[in-house]
Amino acid sequence: GAVVSQHPSRVICKSGTSVKIECRSLDFQATTMFWYRQFPKQSLMLMATSNEGSKATYEQGVEKDKFLINHASLTLSTLTVTSAHPEDSSFYICAWEGRLTGKYQETQYFGPGTRLLVL
Amino acid sequence: AQSVTQLGSHVSVSEGALVLLRCNYSSSVPPYLFWYVQYPNQGLQLLLKYTSAATLVKGINGFEAEFKKSETSFHLTKPSAHMSDAAEYFCAVSDRSGNEKLTFGTGTRLTIIP
Repeated sequence: GAVVSQHPSRVICKSGTSVKIECRSLDFQATTMFWYRQFPKQSLMLMATSNEGSKATYEQGVEKDKFLINHASLTLSTLTVTSAHPEDSSFYICAWEGRLTGKYQETQYFGPGTRLLVL
Repeated sequence: AQSVTQLGSHVSVSEGALVLLRCNYSSSVPPYLFWYVQYPNQGLQLLLKYTSAATLVKGINGFEAEFKKSETSFHLTKPSAHMSDAAEYFCAVSDRSGNEKLTFGTGTRLTIIP
């Protein structure tokens, strides 16, 4: 299956700072990628979807100016949490969908997640 | 709109016993259905998926799920539980509309009793 990495795996930052999370697909050309957040003991909530070459589409209630998504290439996406506050503390997970070994995969492959703690 | 409901936020079974995790879906169009597993502090791993081929879908780690349209269900089963199966399991649905958005259930935490 596809391999997806996220960096960093854990980050602690002060309130008001910005944090950038990278998501890379190591063997997968992603035409579409997704960013999720997961609060403790809850399910994943989709934050935004982005297709290669176009701007991200944000879900209702997600501030696009706060959560900046850059789908830089077919293998790299970044999520920047700007002016982070304690309520932004969460588990952020990326997922890719696209072509693995030439065949389109109707499946999302998830990264291991990044745990963000804002003090 | 589509949704999934997972019955039982916590399920405990003895090692070697049958695992049954329930998922019911609601979708106005034929859905794609997925089961994912999440181990502590890790991302999600795909167990299996239904995309309109065979209704009985076999996945990794001995898990399987059966798509039953009449019952709008996609329950996950494993004949014999192992200690390593302890994890959080999520059922998800997508509507094949082209944007491939997944809607997740609230998850079921599976505990294995030695």
